[in-house]
Amino acid sequence: GQNIDQPTEMTATEGAIVQINCTYQTSGFNGLFWYQQHAGEAPTFLSYNVLDGLEEKGRFSSFLSRSKGYSYLLLKELQMKDSASYLCAVLDSNYQLIWGAGTKLIIKP
Amino acid sequence: GAVVSQHPSRVICKSGTSVKIECRSLDFQATTMFWYRQFPKKSLMLMATSNEGSKATYEQGVEKDKFLINHASLTLSTLTVTSAHPEDSSFYICSASLASGYNEQFFGPGTRLTVL
Repeated sequence: GQNIDQPTEMTATEGAIVQINCTYQTSGFNGLFWYQQHAGEAPTFLSYNVLDGLEEKGRFSSFLSRSKGYSYLLLKELQMKDSASYLCAVLDSNYQLIWGAGTKLIIKP
Repeated sequence: GAVVSQHPSRVICKSGTSVKIECRSLDFQATTMFWYRQFPKKSLMLMATSNEGSKATYEQGVEKDKFLINHASLTLSTLTVTSAHPEDSSFYICSASLASGYNEQFFGPGTRLTVL
């Protein structure tokens, strides 16, 4: 079966750095997405990785290792507005998005 | 960026009535649209995938007669929840992509359905 694992909840301090991990087992791989979702709102796109390595975009970076079936989202200089759920999703061989359950990130002052 | 709208954003209805939710791609033509539902504190659950001009492909366990999807044009898809019941209460989200294959999905703002 297909599976995406990510922690249910994480807590971090404003101004700090947090890393949200995602491991996956899917039938084929055509890329991995990270989305941010605030409570009661739809997800918004953060990043897309299809090759191994680190993609940096401002305060957010995303890393992928295809051989390990592993990705992480790194958030730097945390702000209170970063409190949200972060969803990892993998595009499988049929180009269908397989979604993780999301990691709820709580930022404390 | 690509913008997707959804209407209504919130709807409350009585049990037994039907509710139609519209999803529109405002500044691009969406070959493929997706319908998701999300329960509180849970991830997105794909209900169906629709391509313009053809029948929607429903995920296992989703009743096609219950959740009617019409993708009449490249900018509009509708989801009709027929004979709604309280267990249909959920957050329904649509997304649209430019083409099949890799394509970022652009999400609508979602519709909160409450069935009394």
